[in-house]
Amino acid sequence: DAGVTQSPTHLIKTRGQQVTLRCSPKSGHDTVSWYQQALGQGPQFIFQYYEEEERQRGNFPDRFSGHQFPNYSSELNVNALLLGDSALYLCASSPRGADWSPLHFGNGTRLTVT
Amino acid sequence: QQQVKQSPQSLIVQKGGISIINCAYENTAFDYFPWYQQFPGKGPALLIAIRPDVSEKKEGRFTISFNKSAKQFSLHIMDSQPGDSATYFCAASTTSGTYKYIFGTGTRLKVLA
Repeated sequence: DAGVTQSPTHLIKTRGQQVTLRCSPKSGHDTVSWYQQALGQGPQFIFQYYEEEERQRGNFPDRFSGHQFPNYSSELNVNALLLGDSALYLCASSPRGADWSPLHFGNGTRLTVT
Repeated sequence: QQQVKQSPQSLIVQKGGISIINCAYENTAFDYFPWYQQFPGKGPALLIAIRPDVSEKKEGRFTISFNKSAKQFSLHIMDSQPGDSATYFCAASTTSGTYKYIFGTGTRLKVLA
């Protein structure tokens, strides 16, 4: 049973560029959330996707956008990269409906902006 | 009101000792309090979680104590082992609506052999 998988594992980009990160949820999960974890900090909620729509958004600018596909996988896009966007980006999945279940995290994508 | 305050920032414990990490929250709507363990280069992994209807939950060497009136909860790691050396995050969420978690700032635990 595959857990949450994210790609790529590491990425280096230049200021002003755009980046796309990818996530496949755990088998049986249909809800995907994205978190940003700066060095030495706890993860911060970016947004959550369910049924291909953004359900809830955290305090992040519109430069951060996402998408969920019919197979429940998801992408996180960040435009006009800033140095401050350097962080570990975590994808988490959970099953919707039925019984409540905790979040399952992937190992993240380490983004470095130079 | 959405913050979760975690302490200490770092902790050093001898092998076999008890590690204690504390968290406090403000929002009384929170009704799910998980603890996550994170090793370097890995994502957070769920360790143990508690709902407000109980004051304590134990799983193996890990225990959560919950004080609803004080809006505080803590993680106790009994018989701490070097393999427990990791960063621990408390979090809070509501089980109605979405699964947005508010995380604490983390505690870096080092268990000395």
